[in-house]
Amino acid sequence: DGGITQSPKYLFRKEGQNVTLSCEQNLNHDAMYWYRQDPGQGLRLIYYSQIVNDFQKGDIAEGYSVSREKKESFPLTVTSAQKNPTAFYLCASTRRDGLEETQYFGPGTRLLVL
Amino acid sequence: GENVEQHPSTLSVQEGDSAVIKCTYSDSASNYFPWYKQELGKGPQLIIDIRSNVGEKKDQRIAVTLNKTAKHFSLHITETQPEDSAVYFCAASAREKLVFGKGTKLTVNP
Repeated sequence: DGGITQSPKYLFRKEGQNVTLSCEQNLNHDAMYWYRQDPGQGLRLIYYSQIVNDFQKGDIAEGYSVSREKKESFPLTVTSAQKNPTAFYLCASTRRDGLEETQYFGPGTRLLVL
Repeated sequence: GENVEQHPSTLSVQEGDSAVIKCTYSDSASNYFPWYKQELGKGPQLIIDIRSNVGEKKDQRIAVTLNKTAKHFSLHITETQPEDSAVYFCAASAREKLVFGKGTKLTVNP
């Protein structure tokens, strides 16, 4: 996991409720990412941020929101507009070494709907 | 955009045998190809990667090959052990984002 922490490990959401997943990194990485993982679907990009106070939509951003107020933090909010939120959510950050980038993942948060 | 296809989706081998997982990509601009191992309930762990300026890279029992002309790359695991059992993902990097294959579930039978 290398310095990327996600909390909580499990999260339960009630119908119509917004929930926020935490992602923190102490690696001094500039870029951070949120992925959703469903069985047999691989990893799909939700949002990403290359720099503080800036972020871009990924392939499945609808029903999600993010903020990047600090370099080390990139929280993800799953809103009530996300109708099928049950999934494993993975946060990642990227180390840049010149033109080369390497992406590392956190341990994940499993979100379940009650 | 980039599209990554990964095969096979499941692979079962006997302990000590070799395992090969193959991926193809569509964007000729992709220049970075990592492989991740994911154990049940955990985040993916980077196990090896290759950049477009080399054709092969090896780290102990794991090797990756890249054919840029054909747009495919492969993961080779030799002398497999039960602890190699996991889901393996390939990815290709294009324009600041990684695009992942759908994964291969590898089972190593003792």
